[in-house]
Amino acid sequence: QQQVKQSPQSLIVQKGGISIINCAYENTAFDYFPWYQQFPGKGPALLIAIRPDVSEKKEGRFTISFNKSAKQFSLHIMDSQPGDSATYFCAASISNTDKLIFGTGTRLQVFP
Amino acid sequence: DTEVTQTPKHLVMGMTNKKSLKCEQHMGHRAMYWYKQKAKKPPELMFVYSYEKLSINESVPSRFSPECPNSSLLNLHLHALQPEDSALYLCASREGVDEKLFFGSGTQLSVL
Repeated sequence: QQQVKQSPQSLIVQKGGISIINCAYENTAFDYFPWYQQFPGKGPALLIAIRPDVSEKKEGRFTISFNKSAKQFSLHIMDSQPGDSATYFCAASISNTDKLIFGTGTRLQVFP
Repeated sequence: DTEVTQTPKHLVMGMTNKKSLKCEQHMGHRAMYWYKQKAKKPPELMFVYSYEKLSINESVPSRFSPECPNSSLLNLHLHALQPEDSALYLCASREGVDEKLFFGSGTQLSVL
């Protein structure tokens, strides 16, 4: 119930293409869904986050789509660049708790 | 200053050693976290301190002992570790329960 499942495990995209990473959860109490980006040798950094009261949120080239009924959310990276090559983690938490649960991660490689 | 600083960056210790990891933030955040991350895996929550009090312990073995001496500082004391405890140990902080988690770059720990 506390798990967040993420797919695919790895993704290869050509420069300029769209990268799509999907996550699914079971616990309907989750109400905050951030995405983190991690480069080798660094800690994760927040990219974008969404709450269940909206179905989509866009920040620059990054968009989160949220489907509450299906308990799924996804990250779309438009016009993918080699600098986007990193590991991406979705996450979920419950309001008024400090617990943040991470998905299993997706290693994205963008080739020129 | 929006940084979380972790020291040391690398640590090698024997199974009988006692060592400590240190984490510092000067953003006035009330919550501080320890996560453990194995290679190609997501961060796993270990401990959370809220207002300098331990609020979450994810059933971590007692050979890991957290300490929060003040609102800016978080330590993780290590004793009698096992080789399987080798991992990247990440510290993080945040102000609100639904706000951005700021991560440090981590301490890469090797237990021989």
